Amino acid sequence: KAGVTQTPRYLIKTRGQQVTLSCSPISGHRSVSWYQQTPGQGLQFLFEYFSETQRNKGNFPGRFSGRQFSNSRSEMNVSTLELGDSALYLCASSLGQGSSYNEQFFGPGTRLTVL
Amino acid sequence: KNQVEQSPQSLIILEGKNCTLQCNYTVSPFSNLRWYKQDTGRGPVSLTIMTFSENTKSNGRYTATLDADTKQSSLHITASQLSDSASYICVVSDAGGYNKLIFGAGTRLAVHP
Repeated sequence: KAGVTQTPRYLIKTRGQQVTLSCSPISGHRSVSWYQQTPGQGLQFLFEYFSETQRNKGNFPGRFSGRQFSNSRSEMNVSTLELGDSALYLCASSLGQGSSYNEQFFGPGTRLTVL
Repeated sequence: KNQVEQSPQSLIILEGKNCTLQCNYTVSPFSNLRWYKQDTGRGPVSLTIMTFSENTKSNGRYTATLDADTKQSSLHITASQLSDSASYICVVSDAGGYNKLIFGAGTRLAVHP
């Protein structure tokens, strides 16, 4: 079974631009969660989607948004990029809602650099 | 405030030695606790998941313990290998609402030959 895939793996943008990241979960998994990881803050929860509905949201500004499609693939969008948005963005999938007992499987991440 | 604190922040050990990483949490109500291993530049990989009724769980050379009364967990690594060099992250699931996951800052382990 293929693992969680994320595209692109690396991205360089400039301040003010917007970016869309993509995540394809493991086949059969219906939950996709997104996380931001920076050296100073560690892993921080962005949001979780289950069956195309946002089920949980972290404390991030409205510039961060996401969606999930009927095939469970998910996209995350960041508008008006700031230097502080430079981070590793991780996606995780699970069978049920990610925060329950279901095991989460993480993708390799997308490394976003904002110049 | 729900928090997860890990110690030490970083650790250096020699190959073949054992080590123990600590995780203290204040999350309530508690659902489950997970330990992840994250290699540099890669996504975390789950090592163990424990509910409040489980005291210990092993995954190869990794053994996690949980004391739900004192809200403490530990991850013991036996006979360390160079490939154990990674960050180890403790994650606690809050049983309220949609079971939000709360992450610790991680312990960075370096195993030297």
